[in-house]
Amino acid sequence: GAVVSQHPSWVICKSGTSVKIECRSLDFQATTMFWYRQFPKQSLMLMATSNEGSKATYEQGVEKDKFLINHASLTLSTLTVTSAHPEDSSFYICSARDNGFWNYEQYFGPGTRLTVT
Amino acid sequence: AQKVTQAQTEISVVEKEDVTLDCVYETRDTTYYLFWYKQPPSGELVFLIRRNSFDEQNEISGRYSWNFQKSTSSFNFTITASQVVDSAVYFCALSEANNQGGKLIFGQGTELSVKP
Repeated sequence: GAVVSQHPSWVICKSGTSVKIECRSLDFQATTMFWYRQFPKQSLMLMATSNEGSKATYEQGVEKDKFLINHASLTLSTLTVTSAHPEDSSFYICSARDNGFWNYEQYFGPGTRLTVT
Repeated sequence: AQKVTQAQTEISVVEKEDVTLDCVYETRDTTYYLFWYKQPPSGELVFLIRRNSFDEQNEISGRYSWNFQKSTSSFNFTITASQVVDSAVYFCALSEANNQGGKLIFGQGTELSVKP
């Protein structure tokens, strides 16, 4: 089956620093990738839709200057949390939509647990 | 507006009991997709099923079964003879065909605890 990887799987950083999270589709091409955030005991909330070669589309309430998304190739999207603060501590999950499927088949990465101290 | 509601926040059962997780959705689209995912403590989402709006047939996969009823906008999930390994958070999700690339709207999730 299709595989999506995320790196790193967990990261601890200090307040004020930036952290980059990678999302890769390993065996398929993905024009569209999605970034979700999940706080403890809560559901997944879509942050943004990442489109290869164009600007990401952010959901209402998500600061685009704080959560920088780059989708430079058909297999890689990155999420950079800039000037991270403790309230950004969360579980970040990406998913990738397989270009080869018309029925919106998408695959999830294993997630990245971010802790900001 | 699109919305998914999982009214059951937590369910606790004893092993071998049957359990049904409820999911009610709202959408204005006629073409949409419904999903169920399992999220064990590790956090990784496990895909369970996808259903399109034109296929109302119920589905059975081993101990899992799904009941899709458009008339009540529900897509319920039943685990038969539950096992401890079924303990996880289960999410129901909706994707509309007309939105951007098929983004998913998740319900609040139901935490299932199966006790031995």
